[in-house]
Amino acid sequence: NAGVTQTPKFQVLKTGQSMTLQCAQDMNHNSMYWYRQDPGMGLRLIYYSASEGTTDKGEVPNGYNVSRLNKREFSLRLESAAPSQTSVYFCASSPTSGTAYEQYFGPGTRLTVT
Amino acid sequence: QQQVKQSPQSLIVQKGGISIINCAYENTAFDYFPWYQQFPGKGPALLIAIRPDVSEKKEGRFTISFNKSAKQFSLHIMDSQPGDSATYFCAASSQAGTALIFGKGTTLSVSS
Repeated sequence: NAGVTQTPKFQVLKTGQSMTLQCAQDMNHNSMYWYRQDPGMGLRLIYYSASEGTTDKGEVPNGYNVSRLNKREFSLRLESAAPSQTSVYFCASSPTSGTAYEQYFGPGTRLTVT
Repeated sequence: QQQVKQSPQSLIVQKGGISIINCAYENTAFDYFPWYQQFPGKGPALLIAIRPDVSEKKEGRFTISFNKSAKQFSLHIMDSQPGDSATYFCAASSQAGTALIFGKGTTLSVSS
């Protein structure tokens, strides 16, 4: 079991470029989440998908879009990257939305926007 | 608004000492309070969790104490070891909700 995998591990973008962060889980979980982590700010929820076919905004959704491709995969897209989006991005999954307290995190993607 | 407040921001403890991290919440609809541990360069991992109908939960050297009336909960790490050096996040969730609200984190350094 790989758990939650994320690609890429590192990425440098120029302002205005676009990219998609990929996330996959092999635990047959229903719910998936995208967070960003910034120094002193903790983990802030960007978007989540309570189940396949649904997505909802979290605390900081502006500048991002998501796609729940299937039960396993949940991608995060930056259409026009900005320096304020420099951060570490984590994908997570949980068995159901009712067990949101029990999340399994991927290793993260460190993104720098210049 | 910050729904889960965590303190201190950083903590230095000597090996063998007790590390204590505190959190306070506002929303009485929260019904599950997990703690996550994060090592540098890794994703957070669930450490221990408690429901509000329990005042204390212990797993090895890690104990959560919960005070429902004060809307506070804390993590105690007994006999702290250098390998415990990490960032710790408290969090809160509700079964009716669909997400987890995190505190801002505490960076713990255990000196040998």
